[in-house]
Amino acid sequence: DAMVIQNPRYQVTQFGKPVTLSCSQTLNHNVMYWYQQKSSQAPKLLFHYYDKDFNNEADTPDNFQSRRPNTSFCFLDIRSPGLGDAAMYLCATSRDRTGRNEQFFGPGTRLTVL
Amino acid sequence: AQTVTQSQPEMSVQEAETVTLSCTYDTSESDYYLFWYKQPPSRQMILVIRQEAYKQQNATENRFSVNFQKAAKSFSLKISDSQLGDAAMYFCAYRSAGNSGNTPLVFGKGTRLSVIA
Repeated sequence: DAMVIQNPRYQVTQFGKPVTLSCSQTLNHNVMYWYQQKSSQAPKLLFHYYDKDFNNEADTPDNFQSRRPNTSFCFLDIRSPGLGDAAMYLCATSRDRTGRNEQFFGPGTRLTVL
Repeated sequence: AQTVTQSQPEMSVQEAETVTLSCTYDTSESDYYLFWYKQPPSRQMILVIRQEAYKQQNATENRFSVNFQKAAKSFSLKISDSQLGDAAMYFCAYRSAGNSGNTPLVFGKGTRLSVIA
């Protein structure tokens, strides 16, 4: 089945130790998104890729970076995780950026920072 | 900027009964899309239903239907014949109908629905 896959599902890191979260998709969608979702809150968009074009949200901290080496994969790098970065990180895809198109979400990676 | 408000942090419903989740939004745009997403515990978020603002007819997907009141900027979700599997966090979301550029999803804070057997 076509889907959005995130690895790992659970990630534990230490304060200040860089961590990379992975997302892959078999939908061949042009757009890939990264959201941060803290407990009992709505997802917050960090950035997205439209094909190879990177689009950062204005309030996304510099500590968060992303890479998209090809259509299928996208990575979220947290350079120096702080305790406040503990959250669920959701990857999503859509065919394009028009408002009509549904976003397909992965299961998320729950990040714990010790 | 658009905002989405879900005024019910938590709701509960008896199995087989009907429940309505509320959502209001604020926008100056005339063309947009509204969505209800379901996020079960420890599972991925999935789209429940979508409404196009220029369509007056309320969207329906099996047991799920919406009451879209454009003038009132209201978009409630009705779940009929509730099932245990409906227990989840439900997010209302808004997206501009722009055909280019960045049109992010704007989420409400969510409503946690419990289904009682």
